[in-house]
Amino acid sequence: RKEVEQDPGPFNVPEGATVAFNCTYSNSASQSFFWYRQDCRKEPKLLMSVYSSGNEDGRFTAQLNRASQYISLLIRDSKLSDSATYLCVGGQGNTPLVFGKGTRLSVIA
Amino acid sequence: NAGVMQNPRHLVRRRGQEARLRCSPMKGHSHVYWYRQLPEEGLKFMVYLQKENIIDESGMPKERFSAEFPKEGPSILRIQQVVRGDSAAYFCASSPPREVKGNEQFFGPGTRLTVL
Repeated sequence: RKEVEQDPGPFNVPEGATVAFNCTYSNSASQSFFWYRQDCRKEPKLLMSVYSSGNEDGRFTAQLNRASQYISLLIRDSKLSDSATYLCVGGQGNTPLVFGKGTRLSVIA
Repeated sequence: NAGVMQNPRHLVRRRGQEARLRCSPMKGHSHVYWYRQLPEEGLKFMVYLQKENIIDESGMPKERFSAEFPKEGPSILRIQQVVRGDSAAYFCASSPPREVKGNEQFFGPGTRLTVL
């Protein structure tokens, strides 16, 4: 059973577009959720934490729906530099994070 | 504040040799995690350590792999008698004590192991 599932994509969108990724998780005990970004052959970098109340950071908005056990990431006004793989992540306390396989985004000029 | 440091960045070994991967966590971080990423695959948890203690090694193969985080010095992931299937990127992450903040983990640049 996969604990965190994401659509692998790729999502190919033009610059300026709005794109949304969803992710579902199966472990209802998960308490912490994050979106990480991973560029090709690089380490994952924390993009943002995900809170129940939703949170926004510039062009990025993250939402958590505990009842349906899904997490979303919305990117507005896409830039070429947003091209990367976006990893949905769940965790509990200091236990190891559980990573989805990632959704690949390509922003095209 | 330096980030998580890993060395070497690239490591080439022949089958049967040993590989030693080192990780220094961020300053103030007491939790270290090792993950493995195969080409075109997601990150898979291997082992979670605190100073001088292995907390969770459920993701680590029982043979040939070992990890430590001594009182002084970096955390070490050791792979004995490497095989071609061990070729992967090995990432280390660290997080602060839980009472300081949640479990956001910060990753090092990784060690890319190639077994010939």
